[in-house]
Amino acid sequence: SQELEQSPQSLIVQEGKNLTINCTSSKTLYGLYWYKQKYGEGLIFLMMLQKGGEEKSHEKITAKLDEKKQQSSLHITASQPSHAGIYLCGADPISGTYKYIFGTGTRLKVLA
Amino acid sequence: DAGITQSPRHKVTETGTPVTLRCHQTENHRYMYWYRQDPGHGLRLIHYSYGVKDTDKGEVSDGYSVSRSKTEDFLLTLESATSSQTSVYFCAISESAYGYTFGSGTRLTVV
Repeated sequence: SQELEQSPQSLIVQEGKNLTINCTSSKTLYGLYWYKQKYGEGLIFLMMLQKGGEEKSHEKITAKLDEKKQQSSLHITASQPSHAGIYLCGADPISGTYKYIFGTGTRLKVLA
Repeated sequence: DAGITQSPRHKVTETGTPVTLRCHQTENHRYMYWYRQDPGHGLRLIHYSYGVKDTDKGEVSDGYSVSRSKTEDFLLTLESATSSQTSVYFCAISESAYGYTFGSGTRLTVV
């Protein structure tokens, strides 16, 4: 079955530093979604990418999907303590089923 | 968001007892899902629904059943709770390919 691999599993950065989280699939993805989860809470939708080569930004977070639609990266510029949490990528492995699979998450800690 | 609520938020139950978790939505979305989240496994799909009385199994459905008698409610039942079902359970809703909206989760402990 298809899986999403996220790296790194955890990340500790100093406030103000940039960081990147990766999400890789062995198969083509039909829609790639990034979510953020604050500890002990639900998941908040960040961005959706559908087209190969697509890039989207929201505030200081930028997400990209590669041309083959098998890898996505999430980049945070000038990190802040408010960015701390767990970042998960999710994807629809078969177009139109809406039965998403998820990566295991990247736990981000930002030191003030 | 108020569009999806889960109840209860926390529950402790004994091994062997049945447990029902409720997911309620006010968005009139067609698709509803139950996931469980465990360390090292991420989110795994238990069951999902694509309409009233239309449900199907996910990858970890053993020991769980679901029902959807109304668009707004999706119930997850643990028929006889076991310690391996201690987890955080998330409900999600979706109308199309625009991603999920998640509930706040139910933390279930089976002792």
